[in-house]
Amino acid sequence: VQLEESGGGLAQPGGSLRLSCEGSGFIFRSYDINWVRQAPGKGLEWISYITSSGSSISYADSVKGRFTISRDNARNTLYLQMNSLRAEDTGIYYCARDRVAVAPMDVWGKGTTVVVSS
Amino acid sequence: DIQLTQSPSSLSASIGDRVTITCRTSQTVGGNLNWYQHKSGKPPKVLIHATSHVQIGVPSRFSGTGSGTEFTLTISNLQPEDFATYYCQQSYNAPPYTFGQGTKLEIK
Repeated sequence: VQLEESGGGLAQPGGSLRLSCEGSGFIFRSYDINWVRQAPGKGLEWISYITSSGSSISYADSVKGRFTISRDNARNTLYLQMNSLRAEDTGIYYCARDRVAVAPMDVWGKGTTVVVSS
Repeated sequence: DIQLTQSPSSLSASIGDRVTITCRTSQTVGGNLNWYQHKSGKPPKVLIHATSHVQIGVPSRFSGTGSGTEFTLTISNLQPEDFATYYCQQSYNAPPYTFGQGTKLEIK
């Protein structure tokens, strides 16, 4: 059972990146998935959530209107389209699953690093 | 949005000690309070869910209690591998599923 993020890298302020999170070893379409990030020297910040079917989506205020979460259950993959990037978006981005909304995030990817800098 | 406040922000303890970390929520979370351990370079790991349910595979020295808006994580008989940062997180009702600011546990 694992999640694996990819797509991180260096982006300029105002630029875009697309992160991916591929699941394996479990029935991907049965799980809600979250994106959680950690800025350098800071704590964990929940930033987005999508239900198993993709019918419900939520964002933290810090990314609302700039980031878009989506999923392709046929490909067992979750995405995070990140636009209008800011320096404060720099950090490690993790995807993490939960079985239902009230359940904990029980499987996490290893994370992918995003650096926003000119 | 529900706010989570952890205390202390950091603490020093010795091997074999018992430590307690507190998490206060700004409103009820219906008992849907989870605790995670996070070590540098690794993803977070859930220790306890729904206030007091220890995840399978987590040592029994970890325990959680609480109700209403106050919750605690207790680690008994501290081991070297327990030195990490601990976060509470609420998964009640609807997003945002906020985290506390973290408590860094260091070796004295």
